[in-house]
Amino acid sequence: GAVVSQHPSWVICKSGTSVKIECRSLDFQATTMFWYRQFPKQSLMLMATSNEGSKATYEQGVEKDKFLINHASLTLSTLTVTSAHPEDSSFYICSARDWGEGSYEQYFGPGTRLTVT
Amino acid sequence: EDQVTQSPEALRLQEGESSSLNCSYTVSGLRGLFWYRQDPGKGPEFLFTLYSAGEEKEKERLKATLTKKESFLHITAPKPEDSATYLCAVQPAGRRALTFGSGTRLQVQP
Repeated sequence: GAVVSQHPSWVICKSGTSVKIECRSLDFQATTMFWYRQFPKQSLMLMATSNEGSKATYEQGVEKDKFLINHASLTLSTLTVTSAHPEDSSFYICSARDWGEGSYEQYFGPGTRLTVT
Repeated sequence: EDQVTQSPEALRLQEGESSSLNCSYTVSGLRGLFWYRQDPGKGPEFLFTLYSAGEEKEKERLKATLTKKESFLHITAPKPEDSATYLCAVQPAGRRALTFGSGTRLQVQP
């Protein structure tokens, strides 16, 4: 299956600072990537759809000015959490779809654990 | 509104004790139903995609089936390493993102 990586795997930052998380598709090109967040013992909640070369599409209730998404190339999408607060602490996971396989499978990265102190 | 409901919420099995996990869905046109496995602190690992009612797929001790309203993930003779959270998700027609259920936490005891 296709491989998606995330960096960093965990990060601790102080309240008020910004944090950037990278999501890369390693062996395929992804025109679309997705960003999810997951709270402990809960399922994945879609935050936004990242589109290569155009603006991201955010889900209702997600602040686009707080969670900045940039999909600069066919293999890289970044999520920047701006002016982070403790309530932003969560597990952030990206996914990408491998169009080359002619199917709808989405492959997920290993996740990034963000802790805001 | 698209909805995915998984049951049970948690399941404890003895090694070798077969069982099934349920995923009921309500969606406006199903493009695909997905099963993932997630270990603590890790991203979901892809297992299966099912596209139409009657379809079945197998992988080792796992078998996924699909009807027009639900999907089952059958686990035959599970081993402790099968312990994980199993997530079901649907992709509605006209939408690229997935809608996830809340998952079933499976624990297999030796």
